[in-house]
Amino acid sequence: DTAVSQTPKYLVTQMGNDKSIKCEQNLGHDTMYWYKQDSKKFLKIMFSYNNKELIINETVPNRFSPKSPDKAHLNLHINSLELGDSAVYFCASSSGDWRNTIYFGEGSWLTVV
Amino acid sequence: QKEVEQDPGPLSVPEGAIVSLNCTYSNSAFQYFMWYRQYSRKGPELLMYTYSSGNKEDGRFTAQVDKSSKYISLFIRDSQPSDSATYLCAMSGSSYKLIFGSGTRLLVRP
Repeated sequence: DTAVSQTPKYLVTQMGNDKSIKCEQNLGHDTMYWYKQDSKKFLKIMFSYNNKELIINETVPNRFSPKSPDKAHLNLHINSLELGDSAVYFCASSSGDWRNTIYFGEGSWLTVV
Repeated sequence: QKEVEQDPGPLSVPEGAIVSLNCTYSNSAFQYFMWYRQYSRKGPELLMYTYSSGNKEDGRFTAQVDKSSKYISLFIRDSQPSDSATYLCAMSGSSYKLIFGSGTRLLVRP
């Protein structure tokens, strides 16, 4: 039973399109995250939600908009996709205390052509 | 200068070798230190977690933190081919933000 699941796993799309990545966690955690991993494996936080409230919003273009309908779900919508958006996007969750484990999903490989 | 620096490797060792992976950091407010392992096409998974300075051992893995030098290490004893992966250090202060190193790719040759 997958703890943090995200879909789709692979996504190839054209520049200018709008796409969404969905994430769900069944761990009962209060906090969820979106991370972006570039081609050099550098993993950087984009957003964090705690109980459906945005608590971290890094310097990310406005084309990226997270949405949390409930604390078990955190979706990522990307408008007007650009070539530079090609990366792996990881959803993650934790109990909200940084001393506890952050669980990552399997990742969504986004390629913009 | 990045907040967390990590040699990308790759680091290639024979099976059974002792592996040493390291990170340096610049933010003295960091107090929680973690090591994640990431297999190809998978998400990172937590290996070790330490708070403040000191050592922590878990099976073949030992994590060390030296806050005075702003330096953390992960040692893997009796390395196995199944240890081949990318190892990411990560750290945080009192906020919710976890800062990752860029990862070191490890290859353990049979």
